[in-house]
Amino acid sequence: SAVISQKPSRDICQRGTSLTIQCQVDSQVTMMFWYRQQPGQSLTLIATANQGSEATYESGFVIDKFPISRPNLTFSTLTVSNMSPEDSSIYLCSVVSLAGNEQFFGPGTRLTVL
Amino acid sequence: AQTVTQSQPEMSVQEAETVTLSCTYDTSENNYYLFWYKQPPSRQMILVIRQEAYKQQNATENRFSVNFQKAAKSFSLKISDSQLGDTAMYFCASTGTYKYIFGTGTRLKVLA
Repeated sequence: SAVISQKPSRDICQRGTSLTIQCQVDSQVTMMFWYRQQPGQSLTLIATANQGSEATYESGFVIDKFPISRPNLTFSTLTVSNMSPEDSSIYLCSVVSLAGNEQFFGPGTRLTVL
Repeated sequence: AQTVTQSQPEMSVQEAETVTLSCTYDTSENNYYLFWYKQPPSRQMILVIRQEAYKQQNATENRFSVNFQKAAKSFSLKISDSQLGDTAMYFCASTGTYKYIFGTGTRLKVLA
């Protein structure tokens, strides 16, 4: 299994500002992902964080809005840029086991944009 | 494209009774996994149970079991002897390569 921590656990931000969320895993993993979960909704994949190369974004998500870094196999950051109230969500980091048969999730970051 | 459908937005069950949550999926993958995740109010996603598509035997984990009907692309979760701590959102998910596709969730409330 993998233990994942996220910082911050929650934040309240003003519109137009940016917030960077950190994700730390206790072991080296190949696949890291960032999800968004809007209030009362399911999880939507934002992007796959690739180590040593640019992240792979899903349809509807762009690098300018959600820049992602992955400097090594245990750490990644997601920045939510130029925030608006529509960005208020829980942001979850996750990793996939080496066998590919289980996904582990961080505790999430609850973001509120005023 | 992969899809996962949960048709029950909310359900409730009396403590100690049994409840079944429904899930259907569609995939073009030959080999895939199916999952049920639980998300309590703490929002931590917790794996409840996993089924490998090539295994015909239904997975079981203590009070949790699945009814996997591959031909019908159905994957329901049965919770026996429901406990108050089972109150949570339950998400069905499938994966082929590495992407996980999640259903919209079923909010389960266990009543005392």
